[in-house]
Amino acid sequence: NAGVTQTPKFRILKIGQSMTLQCAQDMNHNYMYWYRQDPGMGLKLIYYSVGAGITDKGEVPNGYNVSRSTTEDFPLRLELAAPSQTSVYFCASSNRAGELETQYFGPGTRLLVL
Amino acid sequence: TQLLEQSPQFLSIQEGENLTVYCNSSSVFSSLQWYRQEPGEGPVLLVTVVTGGEVKKLKRLTFQFGDARKDSSLHITAAQPGDTGLYLCAGAPGDYKLSFGAGTTVTVRA
Repeated sequence: NAGVTQTPKFRILKIGQSMTLQCAQDMNHNYMYWYRQDPGMGLKLIYYSVGAGITDKGEVPNGYNVSRSTTEDFPLRLELAAPSQTSVYFCASSNRAGELETQYFGPGTRLLVL
Repeated sequence: TQLLEQSPQFLSIQEGENLTVYCNSSSVFSSLQWYRQEPGEGPVLLVTVVTGGEVKKLKRLTFQFGDARKDSSLHITAAQPGDTGLYLCAGAPGDYKLSFGAGTTVTVRA
């Protein structure tokens, strides 16, 4: 199993450009998450999904959109990139809901908005 | 304001020394998790503590959950360079969505 994969690894965007961060998992997990990680701030939840066709906002959803058309894929869309979206983005998945559940993380996408 | 406060923010020690990092909250958690994140990679779960007062050992790592279930600590004995990384605590305050602390960056010098 590849686990959770993310592409691209690194991207530079100009202000106002758009892009999609790809995330895929091959563990047949129902739950998927998008986080951003900023220095000294920990991981903040952007959006999450409890299954195909179902998504919901997390703590910091402004400026982002998601879709979940299949169990495997959970892309994150930035429509109008802003310098405040410079961050490292992590996708994660888990088998079930619950605080005892392990979340499996991808390797991250580093995004720089200039 | 972070729901989970971690201290210290940075820790640099010599190989063979011991270290302790802390995770504190004013909220009660039914469980807490500890993750380690190496540079350029995503976090990986180390342990979940579920009972107040619980102590779990993972080789040279000892995890403790406070009696009041508001805090946790991670102690590393005889640290090695391979222990270098960002240590994150996480808990779910009432639902299954994890809230993470800001992390402690540990550097073990050879």
